[in-house]
Amino acid sequence: QSVLTQSPSVSGTPGQTVSISCSGSSSNIGSNSVYWYQQFPGTAPKLLIYKDSQRPSGVPDRFSASKSGTSASLVISGLRSEDEAAYYCATWDDSLSGRGVFGGGTNLIVL
Amino acid sequence: QVQLQQWGAGLLKPSETLSLTCGVSGGSLRGWYWSWLRQSPGKGLEWIGEISRDGSTNYSPSLRSRVVMSLDTYNNQFSLKMRSVTATDTATYFCARGGRNSGDHCYWFYWGQGTLVTVSS
Repeated sequence: QSVLTQSPSVSGTPGQTVSISCSGSSSNIGSNSVYWYQQFPGTAPKLLIYKDSQRPSGVPDRFSASKSGTSASLVISGLRSEDEAAYYCATWDDSLSGRGVFGGGTNLIVL
Repeated sequence: QVQLQQWGAGLLKPSETLSLTCGVSGGSLRGWYWSWLRQSPGKGLEWIGEISRDGSTNYSPSLRSRVVMSLDTYNNQFSLKMRSVTATDTATYFCARGGRNSGDHCYWFYWGQGTLVTVSS
């Protein structure tokens, strides 16, 4: 059981806009920055978004994110087939002496 | 360009100790948080713990009793040891570099390639 809650899967067609949500609590999302990771099978995750809404250099601006209260969301616009991957939200949780916590991951299917 | 290269035994028997090392090239250990994470087959990501630039550690509460992380600044590498492994510890283990500041624990921009560790009798 993951500390952060994500829908298991989401789907869309090329060109569409999809949103992936991440729900937490006051001890994690509510008080710390949210990070988003993209992972393809058999590879290490890739940092997609940091500090709630910032994109590292090289990440297309089709990827955007926001946070409100104890929830966060990742939005992918202009969906492409190569976006098909698993997406994870992550943040720090201040309980239990502090720990990193993840959502269970959302598999994005491009139809 | 920072690169992380990890190595260690990939097949363990129950009760043995998992030992992984992550070598860092293109940058120093100093000034950063260094983390270990894992992913069970077909499952999501799990944070194991981190070691900071001054050597202080922070471990997942569920693994704290079995895990030790250490820094080797001379060889620019850091290590993970997990004792008394069981089949439930079977996973791909990743090392990663966190951020510089206390608010950036989850800023894992650089990752190792991952090591599949299988625990089986």
